[in-house]
Amino acid sequence: NAGVTQTPKFQVLKTGQSMTLQCAQDMNHNSMYWYRQDPGMGLRLIYYSASEGTTDKGEVPNGYNVSRLNKREFSLRLESAAPSQTSVYFCASTPSGTGKNIQYFGAGTRLSVL
Amino acid sequence: AQKVTQAQTEISVVEKEDVTLDCVYETRDTTYYLFWYKQPPSGELVFLIRRNSFDEQNEISGRYSWNFQKSTSSFNFTITASQVVDSAVYFCALIKRGAMDTGRRALTFGSGTRLQVQP
Repeated sequence: NAGVTQTPKFQVLKTGQSMTLQCAQDMNHNSMYWYRQDPGMGLRLIYYSASEGTTDKGEVPNGYNVSRLNKREFSLRLESAAPSQTSVYFCASTPSGTGKNIQYFGAGTRLSVL
Repeated sequence: AQKVTQAQTEISVVEKEDVTLDCVYETRDTTYYLFWYKQPPSGELVFLIRRNSFDEQNEISGRYSWNFQKSTSSFNFTITASQVVDSAVYFCALIKRGAMDTGRRALTFGSGTRLQVQP
């Protein structure tokens, strides 16, 4: 089982460039999430999508946009990358339903903005 | 507001030693879930355990055990007879019970503890 797949695994951008991080899950999960991981800070939520067609801001949404393309895919877009967005980005998904609250994570995308 | 504190930034032990990773949390919610995740050097996040706030029984899984004490808001993780393969960053996390059912919340993570197990 593939689980949660993120592409690309690594990316280097110049300040001001744009890019989209892709995430897809094959577990038929309703909810999907984007986190960023910075040294010494754990993971912080950027955006989430409770279900297809809905998205909401998390703790640190500034500078990002998201699209829930369908149930499987949830993309994160940086319109004008800044050095402060250098981070490791994780996508996660979780099934809906009582008690089904374990989040499954992708392998991460390591992004450097120069 | 919720908060998870992992005061130990880095721990180094020699193989076969026992090691305990501390996790202290703050929440106003009366029902919640606590989690531990492992992040090995390869970078992915691996789910280890979920604990319901209703259930204060300790849990053991092989060399891993978890001590949940609601009275001190702690959810500590012990590795017995550590091995080099245990070297990783370990994260403790928290969420209000039921919140994730609606997809409207996400995990609150601690800052992680890096465990180095030397051969």
